[in-house]
Amino acid sequence: DGGITQSPKYLFRKEGQNVTLSCEQNLNHDAMYWYRQDPGQGLRLIYYSQIVNDFQKGDIAEGYSVSREKKESFPLTVTSAQKNPTAFYLCASSSRQGIETQYFGPGTRLLVL
Amino acid sequence: GESVGLHLPTLSVQEGDNSIINCAYSNSASDYFIWYKQESGKGPQFIIDIRSNMDKRQGQRVTVLLNKTVKHLSLQIAATQPGDSAVYFCAESSGSARQLTFGSGTQLTVLP
Repeated sequence: DGGITQSPKYLFRKEGQNVTLSCEQNLNHDAMYWYRQDPGQGLRLIYYSQIVNDFQKGDIAEGYSVSREKKESFPLTVTSAQKNPTAFYLCASSSRQGIETQYFGPGTRLLVL
Repeated sequence: GESVGLHLPTLSVQEGDNSIINCAYSNSASDYFIWYKQESGKGPQFIIDIRSNMDKRQGQRVTVLLNKTVKHLSLQIAATQPGDSAVYFCAESSGSARQLTFGSGTQLTVLP
C-alpha cells in the first residue's frame, strides 16, 4: 500500500524544546516538501528537497531545519527559534516526471504546552 | 507579489445540486493548476489538474474550467454529496522551480 506517512499525529512541545516531525514515503518520489497550515489559511512552504542530500528554503524557513539523507525520508525539526510553532504540518512528495503534482500525508498537529 | 485567491470563503449547496468553486490567479505565467480537497484534520487530497494548453478537463463528477483571458479557474462538482463537504484549495505553478502556490481555500457545506 503506497503512500506518505507522517508521525506523530499530535505532538506537544515545551518552551525551548526542539521537536522532530517524521515524514516517510514509499512512492519512489524524488521531491519532498514541508508545509505549514494555520487555521482558515492556505499552505505555506517551509522547505523542499528535489533530490537526496539537497534541500532548499521555502517561504517561511526561519526556525525550522530539515535533512534528506534517504530518498524515502524528509524529517522536519521545529527548533526553539520558532516562536509560534502551533500549526498543522503537512508533508508532500512528487515524482520527477510530474513534479507539480504533489501528494500529501495526513499531517501532524503541533501544540505548545 | 503573485497570488492565488478564491472568490468566496464559504459555499453551501443542497445535496444533489451542482457546486461551483471559483479561483482567481494573478500570475500570467502560471501554466499548471490543481485542485485539492481537504477534510477536517486530514491532508489535502488531489482531485484534478489542468495545464494551460487546455480550457476544460473532466474527471469523475468533477470538471475544471480554465479561462486564461481573465485568469480564472473553477471546479464544478456534479450531484454534490454529503461526502463532498470539505475545504477546496486551488494551487498554481509556474517557472523553473515548479513550486505550488496555494489559495486560502473555500469551505463547501452540503445541506441535507
